[in-house]
Amino acid sequence: GAGVSQSPSNKVTEKGKDVELRCDPISGHTALYWYRQSLGQGLEFLIYFQGNSAPDKSGLPSDRFSAERTGGSVSTLTIQRTQQEDSAVYLCASSLRTSTDTQYFGPGTRLTVL
Amino acid sequence: AQTVTQSQPEMSVQEAETVTLSCTYDTSESDYYLFWYKQPPSRQMILVIRQEAYKQQNATENRFSVNFQKAAKSFSLKISDSQLGDAAMYFCAYRSGHAGNNRKLIWGLGTSLAVNP
Repeated sequence: GAGVSQSPSNKVTEKGKDVELRCDPISGHTALYWYRQSLGQGLEFLIYFQGNSAPDKSGLPSDRFSAERTGGSVSTLTIQRTQQEDSAVYLCASSLRTSTDTQYFGPGTRLTVL
Repeated sequence: AQTVTQSQPEMSVQEAETVTLSCTYDTSESDYYLFWYKQPPSRQMILVIRQEAYKQQNATENRFSVNFQKAAKSFSLKISDSQLGDAAMYFCAYRSGHAGNNRKLIWGLGTSLAVNP
């Protein structure tokens, strides 16, 4: 079946603007994750959704970052008042459930803040 | 807190040869999972292999195998008969097996593998 999809593939924005990044998980997967991959760094966990439970937001770097997941499927990561240090690849992953299931990743959105 | 270390920022191998990528981790947990992911220039993170800590047998997936040394906290990836398509960034990752702490993967910084024809 279809894998995880993300849009846009690339996004260039000006400092101070808001951006929205979208993730469509694999159909039937109840768990969804957002990660950030900065240049030369490993992946940094941002947020986790599991079914209808309250999301785990412990990885969000500041209150400019927020995410929602509508209807237990599509998720949107929003970054307000973007800064240059927000430039990175934002990866979304989904898994069937959580505790033991493998995470499958989308192709990511490359965000460039000028 | 758990950490994952990949000590080789870059590696290279000749086509058809074998290469081993190193990964060590630090944890006080007994129940966890280890992964190797491959990230080609397309950016998509692709699962290569997965190992459950409770299994003594090393995981194998075709040309990819791991050497899991639990006591030494080492999890190396061996790629046999290397192919040009294996060129990518390889990431080692750790995931706790404990409920409430198993929501995220903890990542190494990656090893860039070049395959020379």
